[in-house]
Amino acid sequence: DTEVTQTPKHLVMGMTNKKSLKCEQHMGHRAMYWYKQKAKKPPELMFVYSYEKLSINESVPSRFSPECPNSSLLNLHLHALQPEDSALYLCASSQGGGKRDRISDTQYFGPGTRLTVL
Amino acid sequence: ILNVEQSPQSLHVQEGDSTNFTCSFPSSNFYALHWYRWETAKSPEALFVMTLNGDEKKKGRISATLNTKEGYSYLYIKGSQPEDSATYLCASRTAGGYNKLIFGAGTRLAVHP
Repeated sequence: DTEVTQTPKHLVMGMTNKKSLKCEQHMGHRAMYWYKQKAKKPPELMFVYSYEKLSINESVPSRFSPECPNSSLLNLHLHALQPEDSALYLCASSQGGGKRDRISDTQYFGPGTRLTVL
Repeated sequence: ILNVEQSPQSLHVQEGDSTNFTCSFPSSNFYALHWYRWETAKSPEALFVMTLNGDEKKKGRISATLNTKEGYSYLYIKGSQPEDSATYLCASRTAGGYNKLIFGAGTRLAVHP
């Protein structure tokens, strides 16, 4: 099973709302990632969790708050977003969990959550 | 090259045509190059991970080559089929850190019957 699931598929929220995106994998992977993709642009890394600890934060605004409650689950809490935050949010996982993970480590992606901020 | 760049941005071919596209990436501190295939409304699907200069990988009608010295990779599709229609993404990983991928914007391929 190489499936990464993401919920919801679509989310529309106002600028004062609080919502959460959820990502789950049951492959025993130790690293999980959040990416953001705007239309016709490359996916951009936001956060990396390794062994349930935040390893990389790519200078993401604090209105995005990641959480890794256990090794299978990754959340992204959203609060006071702006319309320019509308994008596709992709979650991924990989087997290795640290800086010395295998060179060939593949990231497996979910289908994404399409977020619209009004 | 500081970013990962892919060309062309989009491509329309007829069924049965062979096609190829390019990924350019920073050659310094190179660690690995990933290719993904991404159909609309689905998850990006990993095609290849390439690490060695001169590497060539093949999966069915799709193959890829890697030149780490000059910083480019080619993806080839032989005898394109409509089901090959997708966006093909490449991503570069540099040495020394976590598994951080820098993606290109992708090549959108449409194969017409």
